Amino acid sequence: EVVLTQSPDTLSLSPGERATLSCRASQSFGSSLAWYQQKPGQAPRLLLYDVSKRATGIPDRFSGSGSGTDFTLTISSLEPDDFAVYYCQQRTSLGAWPFGQGTKVEIK
Amino acid sequence: EMQLVQSGAEVKKPGESLKISCKVSGYSFTTNWIAWVRQMPGQGLEWMAMIKPTNSETRYNPSFQGQVTVSVDRSITTAYMEWSSLKASDTAIYFCARHGLKSTYYYTDVWGKGTAVTVS
Repeated sequence: EVVLTQSPDTLSLSPGERATLSCRASQSFGSSLAWYQQKPGQAPRLLLYDVSKRATGIPDRFSGSGSGTDFTLTISSLEPDDFAVYYCQQRTSLGAWPFGQGTKVEIK
Repeated sequence: EMQLVQSGAEVKKPGESLKISCKVSGYSFTTNWIAWVRQMPGQGLEWMAMIKPTNSETRYNPSFQGQVTVSVDRSITTAYMEWSSLKASDTAIYFCARHGLKSTYYYTDVWGKGTAVTVS
């Protein structure tokens, strides 16, 4: 079973600051890594796929990097709208798609 | 516009059965897998299962295998998830989502708004 571990659990930052979120997978499965943003009371929204490709309409302050089992989501300069919970997700060899436990980005 | 419209909130008693739905429109229903995701109160996202509408092929998270059943009705472009005997621990919001092709893999790119299930 693939386990995705995100860190930190909570990130306290101010608008304008840079956010760096980490996702570590227990096993590697190519570049099938995605990041989602979820705000309270809303469904998740796809931000990045294939590690670093932005989904439609996602601003370029969101970027992704990494390979193998270690991945990073970077928000270059936090906007008020970016304070939310972020999840990573990766495909497994059996075709399942588990999520990480999430990182909450909160206003400091 | 691609849409996944989920059925309304449910309040059930332990031991009761339940079937919630996810109505698809705006794209070819049989083209993409549909996933189901659980979010317990104040908790993160849990991938539960997925189904391929073309032939009803399924994949389950081992944690949910035998606890829920996913299905589709192609004639009305609707996906379902059902429980035969609910528990209080099934209280959660359940999302359906489409797996859309993005470059190399199929990712959950269109989501329903979720169905809140309360078991008490």
